[in-house]
Amino acid sequence: ETGVTQTPRHLVMGMTNKKSLKCEQHLGHNAMYWYKQSAKKPLELMFVYNFKEQTENNSVPSRFSPECPNSSHLFLHLHTLQPEDSALYLCASSQDPGRESEKLFFGSGTQLSVL
Amino acid sequence: GQQLNQSPQSMFIQEGEDVSMNCTSSSIFNTWLWYKQDPGEGPVLLIALYKAGELTSNGRLTAQFGITRKDSFLNISASIPSDVGIYFCAGITSSGSARQLTFGSGTQLTVLP
Repeated sequence: ETGVTQTPRHLVMGMTNKKSLKCEQHLGHNAMYWYKQSAKKPLELMFVYNFKEQTENNSVPSRFSPECPNSSHLFLHLHTLQPEDSALYLCASSQDPGRESEKLFFGSGTQLSVL
Repeated sequence: GQQLNQSPQSMFIQEGEDVSMNCTSSSIFNTWLWYKQDPGEGPVLLIALYKAGELTSNGRLTAQFGITRKDSFLNISASIPSDVGIYFCAGITSSGSARQLTFGSGTQLTVLP
């Protein structure tokens, strides 16, 4: 148990569906992240939120829409996805993203399949 | 952007054997992190390294921050079945207030009984 909880664990959706991924951290951290993990590739940073403000959007297509209502919760809203968006989506949190010694704590991920 | 070359991409070893994997880059990093990802789970931090030349152990795991700050290795001694998983290195660079975390592509470890 890392203190970062993601739901659902698995999601299958059609290209016209709208769905949302949820992440909650119980660590009192100030920053939250969304990463995409595809097989045999490095983790790809998608979004960073620091104190609820988006500080990084790594050229992510608009069909992915993040929302951070407070420092403990992070959502990723999905709309009209493509099959190539199928991947493991990981949420992470950290205390202070500005520190060099900063460590990320990851959730278990949502395995997304787009049909 | 920065890239980390992690090798090997996969390893098959016998239980009890020692394992070594490494990450190299053409860029200098200020911090190196090693994560393990069990099947169906997110990555979990194993070891963090903050100084060039630093050698740190966590049980049967030992990691070193290369002197040039461009590489790091992870050793696992006397492997056991639960060591199975994907091991990721990650390097952190910072410039002013900007901080960048770069991940390697992972080493898939299989331990045979």
